[in-house]
Amino acid sequence: NAGVMQNPRHLVRRRGQEARLRCSPMKGHSHVYWYRQLPEEGLKFMVYLQKENIIDESGMPKERFSAEFPKEGPSILRIQQVVRGDSAAYFCASSPLGGELFFGEGSRLTVL
Amino acid sequence: SQQGEEDPQALSIQEGENATMNCSYKTSINNLQWYRQNSGRGLVHLILIRSNEREKHSGRLRVTLDTSKKSSSLLITASRAADTASYFCATVFGNEKLTFGTGTRLTIIP
Repeated sequence: NAGVMQNPRHLVRRRGQEARLRCSPMKGHSHVYWYRQLPEEGLKFMVYLQKENIIDESGMPKERFSAEFPKEGPSILRIQQVVRGDSAAYFCASSPLGGELFFGEGSRLTVL
Repeated sequence: SQQGEEDPQALSIQEGENATMNCSYKTSINNLQWYRQNSGRGLVHLILIRSNEREKHSGRLRVTLDTSKKSSSLLITASRAADTASYFCATVFGNEKLTFGTGTRLTIIP
């Protein structure tokens, strides 16, 4: 049973470009979470999704950020018109309902 | 915000000693979880303690929870070099969103 798969592991973008981060949850998990981590800091909650449904997006910036978890395929975190402040590690986690979270290895976004 | 606060922020001990980290939180919880993060890696779940539990063990890990003080502690006994990592507590409330603290960076000196 493969773990949570995130790709790309590293992504470099110039200011104004778009970044797309993908996350495939563990088999059988229908809940996906996205977190952002700045260097030397803890994880900040961004969004919680179930298939085709956003449950809680209270941590998502109001502009430029969006997330989806379609019926088929991975969850996508999309950042439009990236700025330097978007540089961070973005972690995806999945879980069965109410249990522990299983984390991917993260996608590290660098904005030049 | 329900974010947990770990204490201390950083801890260095000799291999073989015990390491204790504390976590405080602000509101009611369903459960509290501890995670470990090695540098540059994802988080690994260590242990979950429910709000009606007071103590839980897993191998060399011992977790306590005091809901009256809104605090938890993680004890790692007989520390090893491989225990060097950052440790985070995370609380769950309501719709099962996990909220993380700022972490304790533990260094085990061989």
